[in-house]
Amino acid sequence: DIQMTQSPSSLSASVGDRVTITCRASQIIRNYLNWYQQKPGKAPNLLIYAASSLQSGVPSRFSGSGSGTDFTLTIRSLQPEDFATYYCQQSYSTPYTFGQGTKLEIK
Amino acid sequence: EVQLVESGGGLVQPGGSLRLSCAGSGFTFSSYWMHWVRQAPGKGLMWVSRIKSDGSRPSHADSVKGRFTISRDNAKNTLYLQMNSLRVEDTGVYYCARDPDSNGYSWFDPWGQGTLVTVSS
Repeated sequence: DIQMTQSPSSLSASVGDRVTITCRASQIIRNYLNWYQQKPGKAPNLLIYAASSLQSGVPSRFSGSGSGTDFTLTIRSLQPEDFATYYCQQSYSTPYTFGQGTKLEIK
Repeated sequence: EVQLVESGGGLVQPGGSLRLSCAGSGFTFSSYWMHWVRQAPGKGLMWVSRIKSDGSRPSHADSVKGRFTISRDNAKNTLYLQMNSLRVEDTGVYYCARDPDSNGYSWFDPWGQGTLVTVSS
């Protein structure tokens, strides 16, 4: 199975900050990498697919990059509604695996 | 509006069975791969199963293989997960999710609201 490792596991930031979350795959997954946002008690919501494609309706302050084994999710100018948990997920091969999550909290 | 609505969760004893359902609406259900993903209380996400748009090629995570079966009825726009020999560690919220499988790329969008399965004596 492909292991996905996110860092950091938690992060404190302020409104207006720029934050970056990284995700590393245990083997090359090309650009088969997706990012999701999950708020407490809610289902996850797709932000980025195929490493860098912004899902329709997602604010442009979210961006994704990377290929191979190393990927990043960047949120430019944090808004209050962005405080949530973020997950990366590989879709290169089954079992599709997720990172452990990064909890983004208000400083 | 594209919508997925899960049902069928509940409290079951270890060794018991449950069948989850996921009703799709607002899109051509028969054109999409579908998945089940679960989340244990306070934990992260774990992919469980997937099935191709025509009901072929079911696939399961090793931890549920031989106990869970994914299926679908495209005439009813409904996805199923038959869960047998349930274990305490199967406890969690089960989400269904749509997968466009676009040019070989898979992602989950949208997700249903989830249904809670609790395995406990």
